[in-house]
Amino acid sequence: GAGVSQSPSNKVTEKGKDVELRCDPISGHTALYWYRQSLGQGLEFLIYFQGNSAPDKSGLPSDRFSAERTGGSVSTLTIQRTQQEDSAVYLCASSPLRLAGETQYFGPGTRLLVL
Amino acid sequence: DQQVKQNSPSLSVQEGRISILNCDYTNSMFDYFLWYKKYPAEGPTFLISISSIKDKNEDGRFTVFLNKSAKHLSLHIVPSQPGDSAVYFCAALRNQGGKLIFGQGTELSVKP
Repeated sequence: GAGVSQSPSNKVTEKGKDVELRCDPISGHTALYWYRQSLGQGLEFLIYFQGNSAPDKSGLPSDRFSAERTGGSVSTLTIQRTQQEDSAVYLCASSPLRLAGETQYFGPGTRLLVL
Repeated sequence: DQQVKQNSPSLSVQEGRISILNCDYTNSMFDYFLWYKKYPAEGPTFLISISSIKDKNEDGRFTVFLNKSAKHLSLHIVPSQPGDSAVYFCAALRNQGGKLIFGQGTELSVKP
């Protein structure tokens, strides 16, 4: 079956503009995660959705970042008033259930460059 | 603070030899550990995992060892193959679910 897909694959924007990044998880997966990888850094957790529970937003770096998950499926990560330090690869992952060590399946990422 | 650390940014190994990638963690509440492999321009792919109740898990050429007292885990690849060349990330889970806490990654290069 289809894996996790993300769009756009690349995004170049000007400082101060808003951007929206989209994630389509694997069908039937109830958990969805956003991470980012800045240049030379590891993967940093941003936000986590699990079913109808309130999302875990503890990793969002500032209030310019927000995310939605509509209908328990597609998710959109929005960055308002982008800054150059927001440049990174934004990765989405999904998993079937919140069980012990449940594997997270990652999409290819969106490469964001803020000029 | 970096709760999961991979202190070697790169490792070069000859084909057929053993690759050993190391990972240290500071949070004793972590109870599940995973290794992911990442090729350029792709998302990470799951490789192998281990629960904190075990000290070893093996899957083909890949074995993960966990030393809880030292808060250290390692991934052994034997024999190493050129196709194993990638960035390897160690990750940890707390309460067996939720967000992964990743290390910085180690870039493995397996030379023919």
